[in-house]
Amino acid sequence: KNEVEQSPQNLTAQEGEFITINCSYSVGISALHWLQQHPGGGIVSLFMLSSGKKKHGRLIATINIQEKHSSLHITASHPRDSAVYICAVSIQGAQKLVFGQGTRLTINP
Amino acid sequence: NAGVMQNPRHLVRRRGQEARLRCSPMKGHSHVYWYRQLPEEGLKFMVYLQKENIIDESGMPKERFSAEFPKEGPSILRIQQVVRGDSAAYFCASSSRRGAKHVNEQFFGPGTRLTVL
Repeated sequence: KNEVEQSPQNLTAQEGEFITINCSYSVGISALHWLQQHPGGGIVSLFMLSSGKKKHGRLIATINIQEKHSSLHITASHPRDSAVYICAVSIQGAQKLVFGQGTRLTINP
Repeated sequence: NAGVMQNPRHLVRRRGQEARLRCSPMKGHSHVYWYRQLPEEGLKFMVYLQKENIIDESGMPKERFSAEFPKEGPSILRIQQVVRGDSAAYFCASSSRRGAKHVNEQFFGPGTRLTVL
């Protein structure tokens, strides 16, 4: 079993829909990261969080430390949001990241 | 993040050749991480370095792979005698270091896509 599990693996939605991507982890962490990988392959860090909730524009990330679960929400989704979204954790006592398999999001106009 | 530079962006090698991948961290960053993304797989940690030191190489294959981050110049990931299974995207990330108890946000480079023929 992977230390970081994401669901769903693939998600297709219509423009304007509210999107939720889930991430569960099974190890002790110092922080959780949400990353976005564009079709061209580049990786952008969206959020780093260790508790509570963060919001940036139409993106919201939440984490529940007790349940070892995080969600990434996208409000008013747009075709330009189409990308692979990756959950990663910083293991306690280490700086390296452990990654989930990613969620491929496609937003149709 | 445009601040982390990787070159080349694409590299083609024949089996048995050597591949050298370079990573220049963001200005002010002294920590570099290398990750590998095999086709249709997730990212995997390879090695974590700071200037002139390897901090964590738990993800490096035991043979043919090495990494360095010299006092001057970019970090280098070197793969000797490449095989087809080495074909992957190799990403470098960098961070500053605020203290041992802090988790440092990592900024990713655009990656090097290695193809072994």
